[in-house]
Amino acid sequence: EVQLVESGGGLVQPGGSLRLSCAASGFPFSRYWMSWVRQAPGKGLEWVANMNQDGTEKYYVDSVKGRFTISRDNAKNSLYLQMNSLRAEDTAAYYCARVYDWSYYYMDVWGKGTTVTVSS
Amino acid sequence: SYELTQTSSVSVSPGQTASITCSGDKLGYKYACWYQQKPGQSPVLVIYQDNKRPSGIPERFSGSNSGNTATLTISATQAMDEADYYCQAWDSSNVVFGGGTKLTVL
Repeated sequence: EVQLVESGGGLVQPGGSLRLSCAASGFPFSRYWMSWVRQAPGKGLEWVANMNQDGTEKYYVDSVKGRFTISRDNAKNSLYLQMNSLRAEDTAAYYCARVYDWSYYYMDVWGKGTTVTVSS
Repeated sequence: SYELTQTSSVSVSPGQTASITCSGDKLGYKYACWYQQKPGQSPVLVIYQDNKRPSGIPERFSGSNSGNTATLTISATQAMDEADYYCQAWDSSNVVFGGGTKLTVL
């Protein structure tokens, strides 16, 4: 079964750091672009970051540039999001998603998400 | 930065056709896709590459994209289709989502 499982969310104070993980299974992880997408409580979806198969291309939404870093370990079938200098507006559910086809850019597999709360 | 605009809500009677639109500058020159999200659940891809349905998505879901507007059409809408729907496109290495449309089936 194709599956993505996120972990690492929690409560963190403003200015703090958190590292999210996404464990992939059931498909050749190293062949796919991967993305992080977040959703603030009661709000819509917001793309956060993505990266290509070997990590040589990484892209971020402007609001997280310089604070968040996306990475992956293909040997461990895992995707990561290092989040530093966290702000209240980063509070959201964070989803890991597989990019099926970079040319057309759509995300066909999503995890259940992990919740990040930034509050003092 | 590129923006996609969706109507915030659409209502439809069971068995009728629902149309959800997504507008963006020259969107027809890009590829659009659509996600369905029910409360407390992760998004599910329902249309990709403008008008293609993933395996397992009912035929009543269809899509089109031309000019500045992409449209998700749900024919013979069922109560189970009540959900939030998001369009998404890719522009200059950035992924953009529309603000979402809440579909109410009543």
